[in-house]
Amino acid sequence: GNSVTQMEGPVTLSEEAFLTINCTYTATGYPSLFWYVQYPGEGLQLLLKATKADDKGSNKGFEATYRKETTSFHLEKGSVQVSDSAVYFCALSDRDSSYKLIFGSGTRLLVRP
Amino acid sequence: GAGVSQSPSNKVTEKGKDVELRCDPISGHTALYWYRQSLGQGLEFLIYFQGNSAPDKSGLPSDRFSAERTGGSVSTLTIQRTQQEDSAVYLCASRRDILQETQYFGPGTRLLVL
Repeated sequence: GNSVTQMEGPVTLSEEAFLTINCTYTATGYPSLFWYVQYPGEGLQLLLKATKADDKGSNKGFEATYRKETTSFHLEKGSVQVSDSAVYFCALSDRDSSYKLIFGSGTRLLVRP
Repeated sequence: GAGVSQSPSNKVTEKGKDVELRCDPISGHTALYWYRQSLGQGLEFLIYFQGNSAPDKSGLPSDRFSAERTGGSVSTLTIQRTQQEDSAVYLCASRRDILQETQYFGPGTRLLVL
Protein backbone atom coordinates (compact mmCIF):
# COMPACT_ATOMS: atom_id res chain seq x y z
CA GLY A 1 0.00 0.00 0.00
CA ASN A 2 0.91 3.66 -0.16
CA SER A 3 3.02 5.07 2.64
CA VAL A 4 5.13 8.03 3.70
CA THR A 5 8.31 7.95 5.76
CA GLN A 6 9.72 11.01 7.47
CA MET A 7 12.90 11.55 9.41
CA GLU A 8 12.55 11.23 13.15
CA GLY A 9 12.58 14.34 15.24
CA PRO A 10 12.98 16.47 17.08
CA VAL A 11 15.22 18.62 14.95
CA THR A 12 16.84 21.43 16.90
CA LEU A 13 18.47 24.30 15.04
CA SER A 14 19.77 27.75 15.77
CA GLU A 15 18.11 30.70 14.12
CA GLU A 16 19.30 31.30 10.54
CA ALA A 17 20.49 27.69 10.14
CA PHE A 18 19.68 25.61 7.06
CA LEU A 19 16.83 23.14 7.40
CA THR A 20 16.24 19.82 5.68
CA ILE A 21 13.49 17.41 6.68
CA ASN A 22 13.60 14.20 4.69
CA CYS A 23 10.48 12.58 3.28
CA THR A 24 10.20 9.53 1.05
CA TYR A 25 7.11 7.81 -0.21
CA THR A 26 5.86 4.54 -1.62
CA ALA A 27 2.96 4.73 -4.01
CA THR A 28 1.34 3.11 -6.99
CA GLY A 29 1.11 5.71 -9.69
CA TYR A 30 2.04 9.33 -9.20
CA PRO A 31 0.36 10.96 -6.24
CA SER A 32 0.33 14.62 -5.35
CA LEU A 33 2.64 15.42 -2.45
CA PHE A 34 2.15 17.88 0.37
CA TRP A 35 3.82 19.40 3.38
CA TYR A 36 1.52 20.47 6.20
CA VAL A 37 2.62 22.38 9.30
CA GLN A 38 1.09 22.32 12.76
CA TYR A 39 2.04 25.22 15.01
CA PRO A 40 1.66 24.74 18.78
CA GLY A 41 -2.00 24.59 19.75
CA GLU A 42 -3.22 25.00 16.18
CA GLY A 43 -4.59 22.83 13.39
CA LEU A 44 -2.91 21.60 10.24
CA GLN A 45 -2.06 24.21 7.64
CA LEU A 46 -1.00 23.52 4.10
CA LEU A 47 2.58 24.70 3.65
CA LEU A 48 3.25 23.67 0.06
CA LYS A 49 2.43 21.05 -2.54
CA ALA A 50 3.56 19.51 -5.81
CA THR A 51 1.34 17.62 -8.19
CA LYS A 52 3.78 15.97 -10.60
CA ALA A 53 7.37 14.91 -10.99
CA ASP A 54 9.99 17.70 -10.95
CA ASP A 55 7.47 20.23 -9.65
CA LYS A 56 8.81 22.49 -6.91
CA GLY A 57 6.43 23.68 -4.24
CA SER A 58 7.38 26.79 -2.29
CA ASN A 59 5.92 29.02 0.40
CA LYS A 60 7.25 31.26 3.20
CA GLY A 61 10.84 30.45 2.22
CA PHE A 62 10.26 26.70 2.34
CA GLU A 63 10.78 24.56 -0.76
CA ALA A 64 10.34 20.93 -1.75
CA THR A 65 10.88 19.22 -5.10
CA TYR A 66 8.94 16.16 -6.24
CA ARG A 67 11.63 13.62 -7.17
CA LYS A 68 10.18 10.58 -8.89
CA GLU A 69 13.52 8.84 -9.33
CA THR A 70 14.23 8.86 -5.61
CA THR A 71 10.56 8.91 -4.50
CA SER A 72 11.33 11.85 -2.27
CA PHE A 73 9.90 15.23 -1.33
CA HIS A 74 12.40 16.73 1.10
CA LEU A 75 11.54 20.02 2.79
CA GLU A 76 14.21 22.74 2.85
CA LYS A 77 14.60 26.27 4.11
CA GLY A 78 17.72 28.33 3.83
CA SER A 79 17.41 30.31 7.06
CA VAL A 80 15.00 29.24 9.77
CA GLN A 81 13.38 31.56 12.29
CA VAL A 82 12.15 30.94 15.82
CA SER A 83 8.61 31.29 14.46
CA ASP A 84 9.17 28.21 12.27
CA SER A 85 9.11 26.00 15.36
CA ALA A 86 6.30 23.54 14.70
CA VAL A 87 5.56 19.97 13.65
CA TYR A 88 5.89 19.29 9.92
CA PHE A 89 3.97 16.51 8.19
CA CYS A 90 4.70 15.09 4.75
CA ALA A 91 1.69 13.56 3.01
CA LEU A 92 0.55 12.06 -0.26
CA SER A 93 -2.88 12.06 -1.83
CA ASP A 94 -3.99 8.52 -2.51
CA ARG A 95 -5.53 8.80 -5.96
CA ASP A 96 -6.47 5.11 -5.91
CA SER A 97 -8.53 5.52 -2.76
CA SER A 98 -10.73 8.57 -2.42
CA TYR A 99 -7.79 11.01 -2.51
CA LYS A 100 -7.38 10.54 1.21
CA LEU A 101 -4.14 11.86 2.66
CA ILE A 102 -1.56 9.43 3.93
CA PHE A 103 0.72 11.14 6.40
CA GLY A 104 4.21 10.61 7.66
CA SER A 105 4.74 10.50 11.39
CA GLY A 106 5.63 14.18 11.63
CA THR A 107 8.89 15.93 12.48
CA ARG A 108 9.08 18.41 15.31
CA LEU A 109 11.32 21.41 14.60
CA LEU A 110 12.63 23.58 17.41
CA VAL A 111 14.49 26.74 16.46
CA ARG A 112 16.49 28.42 19.20
CA PRO A 113 17.29 32.17 19.16
CA GLY B 1 -16.85 31.49 7.64
CA ALA B 2 -13.95 31.21 5.31
CA GLY B 3 -12.40 28.08 6.76
CA VAL B 4 -13.37 24.68 8.11
CA SER B 5 -14.89 24.90 11.57
CA GLN B 6 -15.34 22.18 14.16
CA SER B 7 -17.19 21.95 17.42
CA PRO B 8 -16.73 21.49 20.23
CA SER B 9 -13.06 22.40 20.44
CA ASN B 10 -12.67 20.23 23.51
CA LYS B 11 -14.79 17.41 24.87
CA VAL B 12 -14.32 15.46 28.08
CA THR B 13 -16.55 12.46 28.55
CA GLU B 14 -16.84 9.38 30.68
CA LYS B 15 -16.12 5.93 29.38
CA GLY B 16 -19.26 4.39 27.92
CA LYS B 17 -20.94 7.65 26.95
CA ASP B 18 -21.76 8.64 23.36
CA VAL B 19 -20.26 11.75 21.78
CA GLU B 20 -21.01 13.75 18.65
CA LEU B 21 -18.42 15.85 16.86
CA ARG B 22 -19.42 18.41 14.27
CA CYS B 23 -17.69 19.71 11.16
CA ASP B 24 -18.66 22.64 8.95
CA PRO B 25 -16.63 22.49 5.73
CA ILE B 26 -15.70 25.37 3.49
CA SER B 27 -18.79 26.48 1.60
CA GLY B 28 -19.08 24.77 -1.76
CA HIS B 29 -16.56 22.03 -1.02
CA THR B 30 -17.99 18.72 -2.15
CA ALA B 31 -15.55 16.38 -0.42
CA LEU B 32 -15.19 16.01 3.33
CA TYR B 33 -12.80 13.86 5.36
CA TRP B 34 -12.42 12.88 8.99
CA TYR B 35 -9.00 12.02 10.44
CA ARG B 36 -7.81 11.15 13.90
CA GLN B 37 -4.55 12.33 15.45
CA SER B 38 -3.30 10.37 18.41
CA LEU B 39 0.07 9.99 20.06
CA GLY B 40 0.48 6.34 19.30
CA GLN B 41 -0.98 6.23 15.78
CA GLY B 42 -0.17 9.58 14.23
CA LEU B 43 -2.63 10.95 11.70
CA GLU B 44 -5.12 8.36 10.46
CA PHE B 45 -7.88 8.57 7.88
CA LEU B 46 -11.34 7.65 9.15
CA ILE B 47 -13.98 8.34 6.49
CA TYR B 48 -14.56 10.22 3.24
CA PHE B 49 -17.73 11.88 1.99
CA GLN B 50 -18.50 12.97 -1.52
CA GLY B 51 -21.67 14.99 -1.24
CA ASN B 52 -23.83 13.14 1.27
CA SER B 53 -22.47 9.71 0.38
CA ALA B 54 -19.59 7.96 2.10
CA PRO B 55 -17.87 5.81 -0.52
CA ASP B 56 -14.88 5.16 1.74
CA LYS B 57 -15.40 4.22 5.38
CA SER B 58 -12.35 2.00 5.50
CA GLY B 59 -10.63 3.91 8.30
CA LEU B 60 -13.37 3.67 10.90
CA PRO B 61 -11.78 1.62 13.69
CA SER B 62 -14.92 -0.16 14.92
CA ASP B 63 -18.68 -0.22 14.54
CA ARG B 64 -18.90 2.20 17.46
CA PHE B 65 -17.85 4.90 15.01
CA SER B 66 -20.28 6.34 12.48
CA ALA B 67 -20.66 9.53 10.52
CA GLU B 68 -23.17 11.28 8.37
CA ARG B 69 -23.30 14.33 6.19
CA THR B 70 -26.43 16.28 5.36
CA GLY B 71 -27.18 18.82 2.69
CA GLY B 72 -23.76 18.28 1.22
CA SER B 73 -22.40 20.42 4.04
CA VAL B 74 -22.28 19.72 7.77
CA SER B 75 -20.97 16.39 8.97
CA THR B 76 -21.29 14.69 12.33
CA LEU B 77 -18.96 11.99 13.63
CA THR B 78 -20.54 9.90 16.37
CA ILE B 79 -18.67 7.64 18.74
CA GLN B 80 -20.84 5.31 20.78
CA ARG B 81 -19.85 3.75 24.09
CA THR B 82 -16.58 5.66 24.17
CA GLN B 83 -13.42 3.94 25.32
CA GLN B 84 -10.23 5.46 26.69
CA GLU B 85 -8.38 4.54 23.49
CA ASP B 86 -10.76 6.87 21.61
CA SER B 87 -9.01 9.84 23.23
CA ALA B 88 -7.44 11.82 20.39
CA VAL B 89 -7.81 14.94 18.30
CA TYR B 90 -10.43 14.48 15.59
CA LEU B 91 -9.73 16.54 12.49
CA CYS B 92 -12.06 17.40 9.67
CA ALA B 93 -10.91 18.50 6.23
CA SER B 94 -12.67 19.56 3.06
CA ARG B 95 -11.68 19.58 -0.58
CA ARG B 96 -13.30 21.62 -3.32
CA ASP B 97 -13.92 18.98 -5.95
CA ILE B 98 -12.39 16.14 -7.92
CA LEU B 99 -10.06 18.49 -9.77
CA GLN B 100 -8.54 19.99 -6.65
CA GLU B 101 -6.60 17.63 -4.37
CA THR B 102 -5.69 20.06 -1.61
CA GLN B 103 -7.48 19.45 1.67
CA TYR B 104 -8.11 22.25 4.14
CA PHE B 105 -8.27 21.32 7.80
CA GLY B 106 -10.30 22.55 10.70
CA PRO B 107 -8.81 23.20 14.15
CA GLY B 108 -9.90 19.82 15.46
CA THR B 109 -11.85 18.53 18.43
CA ARG B 110 -9.77 17.26 21.33
CA LEU B 111 -11.59 14.32 22.89
CA LEU B 112 -10.64 12.98 26.31
CA VAL B 113 -12.35 9.85 27.59
CA LEU B 114 -11.97 9.36 31.31
